[in-house]
Amino acid sequence: KQEVTQIPAALSVPEGENLVLNCSFTDSAIYNLQWFRQDPGKGLTSLLLIQSSQREQTSGRLNASLDKSSGRSTLYIAASQPGDSATYLCAVRPIAGNQFYFGTGTSLTVIP
Amino acid sequence: GAGVSQSPSNKVTEKGKDVELRCDPISGHTALYWYRQSLGQGLEFLIYFQGNSAPDKSGLPSDRFSAERTGGSVSTLTIQRTQQEDSAVYLCASSLQGAHSGNTIYFGEGSWLTVV
Repeated sequence: KQEVTQIPAALSVPEGENLVLNCSFTDSAIYNLQWFRQDPGKGLTSLLLIQSSQREQTSGRLNASLDKSSGRSTLYIAASQPGDSATYLCAVRPIAGNQFYFGTGTSLTVIP
Repeated sequence: GAGVSQSPSNKVTEKGKDVELRCDPISGHTALYWYRQSLGQGLEFLIYFQGNSAPDKSGLPSDRFSAERTGGSVSTLTIQRTQQEDSAVYLCASSLQGAHSGNTIYFGEGSWLTVV
């Protein structure tokens, strides 16, 4: 069974810092990996989707990388802002099966 | 609508009662997922629908849980004889095509269920 781990569980940084969130998964036979953001009391908002054949995806201040062979993905946030404060979740879709497997998330606080 | 719509947004029910949660996916999306998120826990897969295919029910935790999807669009998740451990946020998601299409999945705001 695929297991997804996110480290750290919580992170607090001053505004303007660049930061990296980590996601690791145990089975490299994945179809794609998706990063989400979840604000308190809200659903999940998709940030970036990386197909298994891709190495990275960028959207604005966000850059996600994927190293499938080592079972790792990182989400890089440049010039962090207080509005970036949220929980960030990664999810992997295995080649077999229909579900995404989610990590438990990293809770990010950006201090003004 | 523009996004995945779920109702009710909040539901408080007494232990032993049945509840129905509704999901209206993005128009034209053929794949629909239900997940559950308990306090301090990760997302737990419940069920997957794709077009007219038989649903993947492998994540349903007990026979008190069931779901249907009528006309390939709206889905209803039913929990019978609710228990306190059923208290959670029930999240619905949809994607344009099935699980192995590589499409982004879009989530609704969730239905917050509290069993007292």
